[in-house]
Amino acid sequence: QKEVEQDPGPLSVPEGAIVSLNCTYSNSAFQYFMWYRQYSRKGPELLMYTYSSGNKEDGRFTAQVDKSSKYISLFIRDSQPSDSATYLCAMCRDDKIIFGKGTRLHILP
Amino acid sequence: DVKVTQSSRYLVKRTGEKVFLECVQDMDHENMFWYRQDPGLGLRLIYFSYDVKMKEKGDIPEGYSVSREKKERFSLILESASTNQTSMYLCASSIGSGGLETQYFGPGTRLLVL
Repeated sequence: QKEVEQDPGPLSVPEGAIVSLNCTYSNSAFQYFMWYRQYSRKGPELLMYTYSSGNKEDGRFTAQVDKSSKYISLFIRDSQPSDSATYLCAMCRDDKIIFGKGTRLHILP
Repeated sequence: DVKVTQSSRYLVKRTGEKVFLECVQDMDHENMFWYRQDPGLGLRLIYFSYDVKMKEKGDIPEGYSVSREKKERFSLILESASTNQTSMYLCASSIGSGGLETQYFGPGTRLLVL
């Protein structure tokens, strides 16, 4: 079983729609859960991180962690063409960090 | 804003050459990291450093070494470049103990080894 699984997409949605991006993981020891956005030919940019289970909201973005199901989500409301990018989930504990392979998202104008 | 810069955006080297990739951060962060990113494999941690002159192996350190002589600078060295080291190399930094959860990345260096 892979430590982190993330659907590579591409995921295409119309502008203004709600986007749901997800990752599953197998190691229950992970404590922090992060989402990064990466535009083409750029470095990843940290969007949000959460500690343990629960929800965290920042503007149009909401991160959700369900540790009992080992499932994390990122929701994007009122999606914009500028949200088109690859979204990477990541999780860590102590000195170990694992990244998902990323989901390519296209927001169609 | 945190700024992480990398010495080159694109680099072409020949097999067997010694390659230096440099990374500089301007926010006095304790922690610095080197990753490589490959299609289908995602981001993988090569080495990281929690302090000057300190280094720790990540998941894929073979064929690489690092140097951290100053707090703001972290270098990745390929002693003898090979074609399987063709990749996108990303540097990151973060503050505080551990700091894996709040990393700031540089723009990346695309290395092609011929």
